[in-house]
Amino acid sequence: SQKIEQNSEALNIQEGKTATLTCNYTNYSPAYLQWYRQDPGRGPVFLLLIRENEKEKRKERLKVTFDTTLKQSLFHITASQPADSATYLCALTTSGTYKYIFGTGTRLKVLA
Amino acid sequence: DTAVSQTPKYLVTQMGNDKSIKCEQNLGHDTMYWYKQDSKKFLKIMFSYNNKELIINETVPNRFSPKSPDKAHLNLHINSLELGDSAVYFCASSQTDYGYGYTFGSGTRLTVV
Repeated sequence: SQKIEQNSEALNIQEGKTATLTCNYTNYSPAYLQWYRQDPGRGPVFLLLIRENEKEKRKERLKVTFDTTLKQSLFHITASQPADSATYLCALTTSGTYKYIFGTGTRLKVLA
Repeated sequence: DTAVSQTPKYLVTQMGNDKSIKCEQNLGHDTMYWYKQDSKKFLKIMFSYNNKELIINETVPNRFSPKSPDKAHLNLHINSLELGDSAVYFCASSQTDYGYGYTFGSGTRLTVV
């Protein structure tokens, strides 16, 4: 069956370190993969999109990698800050559909 | 200026009632969506409209009926509410191309008692 898996346990890291979040998928051939941030009581906010033919994408302190062989995307936040604490969701879509399927998210807590 | 606005933000209602949630976007996007987020925070797509045309209709009970009067509005009507319908419902919009991110509303927390 098709699955998108993110670490269900919270990730706690020290301020200033690099946070790395994982998104694994099975039985999908995604054309696009996105990452979102969600704060409590708010809607998800779009962060980055990466295409299947791209290995890496960067935006300020954020970096996303996409390995279609490993069926995995990694999301990195460098020089993390307490304000980065939130739940991060990955979402993917396959060609021919406008439908993005979301993972369950990983809660990140950056400790001061 | 709120990009995607949903009303109401909170909705508490009794089982068996009928309720509606409204959504409006001022981004000029062609595609709008309804997602349901359950208590485990899993975000699941329900419907999508492109220029007032239904393009995604997931396995959702037919008690749920979307309606798009124009491309800036997508409403969700729910008949005969059940306890299991309690969740947060998010409206979103995007350009008509899966290469763009979604802009989500702030959600409607529906509680059925």
